[in-house]
Amino acid sequence: AQSVTQPDIHITVSEGASLELRCNYSYGATPYLFWYVQSPGQGLQLLLKYFSGDTLVQGIKGFEAEFKRSQSSFNLRKPSVHWSDAAEYFCAVTGSARQLTFGSGTQLTVLP
Amino acid sequence: EAGVAQSPRYKIIEKRQSVAFWCNPISGHATLYWYQQILGQGPKLLIQFQNNGVVDDSQLPKDRFSAERLKGVDSTLKIQPAKLEDSAVYLCASSLAPTGVDEQYFGPGTRLTVT
Repeated sequence: AQSVTQPDIHITVSEGASLELRCNYSYGATPYLFWYVQSPGQGLQLLLKYFSGDTLVQGIKGFEAEFKRSQSSFNLRKPSVHWSDAAEYFCAVTGSARQLTFGSGTQLTVLP
Repeated sequence: EAGVAQSPRYKIIEKRQSVAFWCNPISGHATLYWYQQILGQGPKLLIQFQNNGVVDDSQLPKDRFSAERLKGVDSTLKIQPAKLEDSAVYLCASSLAPTGVDEQYFGPGTRLTVT
């Protein structure tokens, strides 16, 4: 069965600082990986996705993520965080089962 | 283009009552999903439709939950009778192609509180 672990429940960073959100997955074959963001009262919005090819993928809002097969990780990064990035972030995986499995999320707080 | 629409946005009911949620996916999207998101957790798939047929309902508590997608467009999710543990946000999503790798577009969700 596929699964996703987001080890950090809550992260606080100062505006302008760099950000890295961790994601580890479990899946027997090549996974398809996603990062979604959820703002209060909003649905989930796709930030980026990895299907194959270049292991460093660029997304919207200046986010990027790197797929590392050897570490079963797909960490999300941003070089300089803005106050508007405060939200909850979800990593998700799917494969041949074609079913999205989400992690439990990381809540991001941005300090002025 | 219009996004995924859901109603109501909020609902408060007492346990053992029934409730229904409505979803209108993005026009032309063949696949529709219902997720349950309990506070502090990620969304969990309840049921997946392709057009008006069920693709996966393995995690739907069928003794109390039911869903339909008539004419392959709008969908309704019903809970009858509700339990306290059903308190959650119910998210509807749709995608163009019937594969898990296609981007899913999510609605704003319906927040259900069961007292």
